[in-house]
Amino acid sequence: DAGVIQSPRHEVTEMGQEVTLRCKPISGHNSLFWYRQTMMRGLELLIYFNNNVPIDDSGMPEDRFSAKMPNASFSTLKIQPSEPRDSAVYFCASSIPGAAALHFGNGTRLTVT
Amino acid sequence: GENVEQHPSTLSVQEGDSAVIKCTYSDSASNYFPWYKQELGKRPQLIIDIRSNVGEKKDQRIAVTLNKTAKHFSLHITETQPEDSAVYFCAATTNFGNEKLTFGTGTRLTIIP
Repeated sequence: DAGVIQSPRHEVTEMGQEVTLRCKPISGHNSLFWYRQTMMRGLELLIYFNNNVPIDDSGMPEDRFSAKMPNASFSTLKIQPSEPRDSAVYFCASSIPGAAALHFGNGTRLTVT
Repeated sequence: GENVEQHPSTLSVQEGDSAVIKCTYSDSASNYFPWYKQELGKRPQLIIDIRSNVGEKKDQRIAVTLNKTAKHFSLHITETQPEDSAVYFCAATTNFGNEKLTFGTGTRLTIIP
């Protein structure tokens, strides 16, 4: 099993540009989570999906952030327009039905200049 | 919503000594408490977890204890080794199986050789 796969690993972009982060969960995992990690705020849950349906997006900072899960094997997190304060490591995680253990991807380190 | 506090934020112990990290949670309905280890530049990984119907769980050199009355749980690492150096996160959820975890702010553990 390849685990949760995220791309890109690193993203450097200029303020105002659109950024798209991608995630492929572990096959058979029906829950998918997007977390943001910063030194100041730690690990923050942005949004999570069950069976491709967004369940809770209360952690999404503002309308500039959006997430989709068009099928069971793919999800995107989009920031448009990006701002320097969005700089962070973004983790995707997935879990299997009936279990709460999260399996994290390797993260995308986003730098907005 | 759930609030998880974690202490200390940094901890240094001599190799071979024990380390203890403590967390408190606010929602008495919380029923699942995992601990994650994050090495520098890597993804968080589950190391041990405990459910609310259990008071203690042990796995080799690591153990977790839970006090539901006081709403706190702790991670204990015995016979610490250099590879234990990492950031440790506690987490809690009120809905085991629907995995919206609330994370603590992390403890940076340094093992001094």
